[in-house]
Amino acid sequence: DIQMTQSPSTLSASVGDRVTITCRASQSISSWVAWYQQKPGKAPKLLIYKASSLESGVPSRFSGSGSGTEFTLTISSLQPDDFATYYCQQYNDFSPTFGQGTKVEIK
Amino acid sequence: EVQLLESGGGLVQPGGSLRLSCAASGFTFSSYVMSWVRQAPGKGLEWVSSISGSGSTSYYADSVKGRFTISRDNSKNTLSLQVNSLRADDTAVYYCAKDDSSSVAFCDYWGQGTLVTVSS
Repeated sequence: DIQMTQSPSTLSASVGDRVTITCRASQSISSWVAWYQQKPGKAPKLLIYKASSLESGVPSRFSGSGSGTEFTLTISSLQPDDFATYYCQQYNDFSPTFGQGTKVEIK
Repeated sequence: EVQLLESGGGLVQPGGSLRLSCAASGFTFSSYVMSWVRQAPGKGLEWVSSISGSGSTSYYADSVKGRFTISRDNSKNTLSLQVNSLRADDTAVYYCAKDDSSSVAFCDYWGQGTLVTVSS
């Protein structure tokens, strides 16, 4: 199975900060990466797919980049609604895997 | 509007079985891969299983292979997951999710989840 190593596991930031979360794949997966946001007690919400494509309705402060084995999710200016847990997911094969998650907390 | 509504969760003893269901609406159900993703309490997301649009091909995580069976009824727009030989580490919220395409991919819509608790 392809392992997705996400970092950091926790991130403390303030409103207005630029935030970057990284995901490393254990092997090359082209651009087959998605990013999700999850709030407590809620289902995940798709933010980014194919590494850098923004899902319809998602604010433009969210962006994704990378290819091969290294991927990043960036929030350009953190908003109060963005405090949540974020997960990357690879879908390069028929056994998708998720990163461990990054919790974005209020500093 | 896409809607996914899971049901069938509950408390079950180790070794027991349950059948989870997901009622789908708002899209052409048979055209999309459907998946189950679970989340143990306080833990991350774990892909469990996916099934092709026709139902002819299914995929499983190693952790559930041989114990769980995914199926779908395209005439009723329903996805199911038969979970057998349950263990304590199967305790989780099980989410039904729609994949974006006709191949295993990312999930663009998710249900609200159904909780399975395995305990004596």
